[in-house]
Amino acid sequence: KNQVEQSPQSLIILEGKNCTLQCNYTVSPFSNLRWYKQDTGRGPVSLTIMTFSENTKSNGRYTATLDADTKQSSLHITASQLSDSASYICVVSPMTNNNDMRFGAGTRLTVKP
Amino acid sequence: KAGVTQTPRYLIKTRGQQVTLSCSPISGHRSVSWYQQTPGQGLQFLFEYFSETQRNKGNFPGRFSGRQFSNSRSEMNVSTLELGDSALYLCASSQGQGASIWFFGQGTRLTVV
Repeated sequence: KNQVEQSPQSLIILEGKNCTLQCNYTVSPFSNLRWYKQDTGRGPVSLTIMTFSENTKSNGRYTATLDADTKQSSLHITASQLSDSASYICVVSPMTNNNDMRFGAGTRLTVKP
Repeated sequence: KAGVTQTPRYLIKTRGQQVTLSCSPISGHRSVSWYQQTPGQGLQFLFEYFSETQRNKGNFPGRFSGRQFSNSRSEMNVSTLELGDSALYLCASSQGQGASIWFFGQGTRLTVV
């Protein structure tokens, strides 16, 4: 069983709308949680990184939240744009190794005009 | 500053052959890691190098190997290619070994026929 589960698997929204992507993990204890955006045919790009003691981190229209008690994180995208269409990947690193990244399968977001 | 550069971008090989992929990290970055990405499995960690030493290794057969040179550039080699090795191979670099941001390259798309 994957230690990082993301939902939904895919999502279609209209341009300008908000959306929230979910990430549940079982990695414990964990060191940090990252969200990456991956455009089709390109490598992932880091959006946010949160340590276990942080609750929220913003990067422009992207806001990530973290609840270490329930082992859940969410990525909220505000006022979506067509360029937000991509896969969003949640990544969790265990305390034993900051750079041992456990990847979720990703959420495929499509923003339509 | 140039990003992570991977070569070649696309590669077609036949079963049984071997292949070498190259990765040049961002200037000043000393950590390099490799990942395999397939539609069914998502991103899976292959190995991580820091200062020419393999620091961590994923759960892949011995046909997959890598190395890092003194200038931090890295190569990965896959011998006796199988059809299932067809994937996007991503390289990422970061400055050090802490909870730093990993920057990904565009990847090498390997197709085994």
